[in-house]
Amino acid sequence: GEDVEQSLFLSVREGDSSVINCTYTDSSSTYLYWYKQEPGAGLQLLTYIFSNMDMKQDQRLTVLLNKKDKHLSLRIADTQTGDSAIYFCAGTNYGGSQGNLIFGKGTKLSVKP
Amino acid sequence: ETGVTQSPTHLIKTRGQQVTLRCSSQSGHNTVSWYQQALGQGPQFIFQYYREEENGRGNFPPRFSGLQFPNYSSELNVNALELDDSALYLCASNSGNTIYFGEGSWLTVV
Repeated sequence: GEDVEQSLFLSVREGDSSVINCTYTDSSSTYLYWYKQEPGAGLQLLTYIFSNMDMKQDQRLTVLLNKKDKHLSLRIADTQTGDSAIYFCAGTNYGGSQGNLIFGKGTKLSVKP
Repeated sequence: ETGVTQSPTHLIKTRGQQVTLRCSSQSGHNTVSWYQQALGQGPQFIFQYYREEENGRGNFPPRFSGLQFPNYSSELNVNALELDDSALYLCASNSGNTIYFGEGSWLTVV
């Protein structure tokens, strides 16, 4: 089955760019998602990318997908203190059911003023 | 605003008891999934319902069960609670590829 791995921590200064990385094992993953979770809250959908795309941009967010290396990244431009949170990468498993997401353990982003 | 609401937000139960968690999603969101998120971990898939039928299940025992209703609401039931069931339980609904989560229900088993 699918396995998703992320680095656990990232610390950046306010105004810098943040890049959060994710690797996945199942090459048949059709959709890959990024979610943000603030302390004590649920998951906020940030963006998702189809597996036939290389890049997707949405305001300050840029997602890059390297299917050959099974590597996904989320770049946050001009990072703000309000971006401090845990970021989860998730993909569908090889069963293809859209709601059945496999999550990484999350990357905790700390933004220093 | 995700259009997914969960209740209750927090609850405490005793080991061996039963609990029912509820979720309400947007009209037209035919698929609902439930996830368990233990502290410091990513969410783990419990099961999914599509048009009121179970449509996939993760590695959870049968004491985790669910229902989906025609009005786009759903329930997660857990019987014979164990201490390790303490977690945040998240409901997700989707229409097509967009998957939205609720704020979750924090369950503490003592």
